[in-house]
Amino acid sequence: AQSVTQLGSHVSVSEGALVLLRCNYSSSVPPYLFWYVQYPNQGLQLLLKYTSAATLVKGINGFEAEFKKSETSFHLTKPSAHMSDAAEYFCAVSAHGGSNYKLTFGKGTLLTVNP
Amino acid sequence: SAVISQKPSRDICQRGTSLTIQCQVDSQVTMMFWYRQQPGQSLTLIATANQGSEATYESGFVIDKFPISRPNLTFSTLTVSNLSPEDSSIYLCSGNGHQETQYFGPGTRLLVL
Repeated sequence: AQSVTQLGSHVSVSEGALVLLRCNYSSSVPPYLFWYVQYPNQGLQLLLKYTSAATLVKGINGFEAEFKKSETSFHLTKPSAHMSDAAEYFCAVSAHGGSNYKLTFGKGTLLTVNP
Repeated sequence: SAVISQKPSRDICQRGTSLTIQCQVDSQVTMMFWYRQQPGQSLTLIATANQGSEATYESGFVIDKFPISRPNLTFSTLTVSNLSPEDSSIYLCSGNGHQETQYFGPGTRLLVL
C-alpha cells in the first residue's frame, strides 16, 4: 500500500522568494515519485519525477526535488518564485516495478505568489 | 511524452441522464486510467482501462455506474451513468508514455443539475 502526505494545503510566498512544498510518502516497495502542477481550469502537467536514478531531480520551470529515503520525503523547491508559478501542486507515488503503475496522489498544495 | 485529448471539455447535464467522455492519445500506450477530481479535492483513481477486456475498478467504483471501454491502444471512453449532483467533478484520463510516467488529458468538467 502507498500513501502521500502533503504538508500545508496552502502556501503563500512573495515573488522572488524560495518555494518549498513538502511531500512525504509511504510505500512498502521502492517508489516512483512525481510532482504534477495544475493551473486553473487545466489538466495535470508533469513537473518532474524520481525513478531511482539521481536523488536530486530537476524539472521544468526551474523546479527541483530531492529524494530522501531516510526521511521518506520528496520536497519540491524553486529558488525564486514567479507570479506564473501560482497553481495547485500534487505529489504522487507509484510502486517501483509494479505491473500497472497506478498513482496515489496527495491532497495537493495551492501555491499563491504575492507581488 | 504522450499528448492526450478529451471530449467534451465541459458539459452540463440533467440528473438521471448519462455522459460519455472520450479520451484520445497521440501514440500507443500500455496503460490508460480514469480519475475523478471532486471540487477542491485531489485525484481519485476510478479504474484502469484495459485494452480488449473489462476495466479494473478501484474500491468504491462499479461498472454499472462508470462503464469504460478501450477498443484499442490509443482510445478509451468513460460513461458516468444515472447522474446526480454528487457526480459534478472533473474527470481526467491519463496514459503512461515511458512505463511509469503518466500523462494527463485536460479534463472534462461536469456539472449535474
